[in-house]
Order: sequence, then structure tokens, then C-alpha cells
Amino acid sequence: DSGVTQTPKHLITATGQRVTLRCSPRSGDLSVYWYQQSLDQGLQFLIQYYNGEERAKGNILERFSAQQFPDLHSELNLSSLELGDSALYFCASSPPGQRLNYGYTFGSGTRLTVV
Amino acid sequence: DQQVKQNSPSLSVQEGRISILNCDYTNSMFDYFLWYKKYPAEGPTFLISISSIKDKNEDGRFTVFLNKSAKHLSLHIVPSQPGDSAVYFCAASAYGTASKLTFGTGTRLQVTL
Repeated sequence: DSGVTQTPKHLITATGQRVTLRCSPRSGDLSVYWYQQSLDQGLQFLIQYYNGEERAKGNILERFSAQQFPDLHSELNLSSLELGDSALYFCASSPPGQRLNYGYTFGSGTRLTVV
Repeated sequence: DQQVKQNSPSLSVQEGRISILNCDYTNSMFDYFLWYKKYPAEGPTFLISISSIKDKNEDGRFTVFLNKSAKHLSLHIVPSQPGDSAVYFCAASAYGTASKLTFGTGTRLQVTL
């Protein structure tokens, strides 16, 4: 158990629907990162939050949005879902001031299947 | 535009031998490199990193080598153990964008008995 909790683990939904993925970071971590891994692809950075504020943005679609709440958990909202949105969605967290050489801590991911 | 490439999708190595996993990158702004290991149904786990000011970093059985002129890095695992069987991802970060990691597509390592 990495300490980063993602729910649900699996999600199957239809095209056009909206889903919410949830992430609870490790205790004490202020940064939350969201990554998407499509089939046979590397992880693609979506967005980072730090202590409730958006810190960095990657190639996140306009149909996707995220937020980090005062208790530091984060939610990734995916709307108007398309078949191509089927992927593993990972959340990661890191403590304040941590240098990159220690890496992030990833959760076990949410597997989204759009049918 | 794949800025971090792992051209070998899979690698099979006998237990006790050396495993060498390779990674190439194209972005000269990358200044930090990391390796992650991933088991099925789990998230990636940080393994080892290297700054662009170094050419080697060692941690136990794991050593990462960086060749900046060739834009190439490699991960050596010596000796390989069956528990090392996993997918290994190379990742890189550009100066000033420390929060964003660019990942390769991964190499599946199988260590056989």
C-alpha cells in the first residue's frame, strides 16, 4: 500500500456520460498529480494541484477538469466521455519541498472503460 | 511526439545475470531522469533517479547511466532476480517544469529461473 488511495479501482460507463475519479494523497503530501495511461502508451501528465491550487497543466482535454479540496483529496472529472478516454488514470502525491530525485508516490490507478 | 522512447517493449534475462534497460530522449531541456517499476494492478514505484550533472547513480543492485551527448540513459540491474520482473518506465523532467514528468512507453522485464 503506497498510501495514495484511488477510488474506484474499475469503472465502466457509456459514451457521453460523466464520471468522477477520486484520489486521497499520502498523509502530509500537499501536491497531487494526475496522469493518464492509454493502452501501450506511457503515462501522460494531465494536471497538478498544490494545497488546493492548480500548479501545472499538461495535455488535459477541456472535457476534463480537476480540483483539490481543503482536506487535500482531489477529484478528476471526465465528461462527454468518448471511447478513446478508456485508460488507466493514476494519481500521485508528494510532500512539500520534496526534490524530484525522490520521485512521486503513485496510487494503484482507476481503470476506466468507456463502451 | 514521443520525447522519451523505450524502444524495447520486452526483455528476458536469466536470474543472476545483468538486465540492461535502455531509454532515449529528444528534448535537450530535460535535466532530471527517473526510473519507475510497475507490477500488474499496482501504480508505478520510484526506483532511482539521476541529475543531468551526473553520468552515473548507483543504489544497491540498480545503477543508472546517463550519456547526455547521445541523449541516452540505461538502467542496469545486477544481479537480476525473479522479483524484478515488472514493467520499467523511464521518465524525464525539464528544467523549470519539475512537476511534469514525461514517461516512456515502458519495457517489460522478465527474469527467468
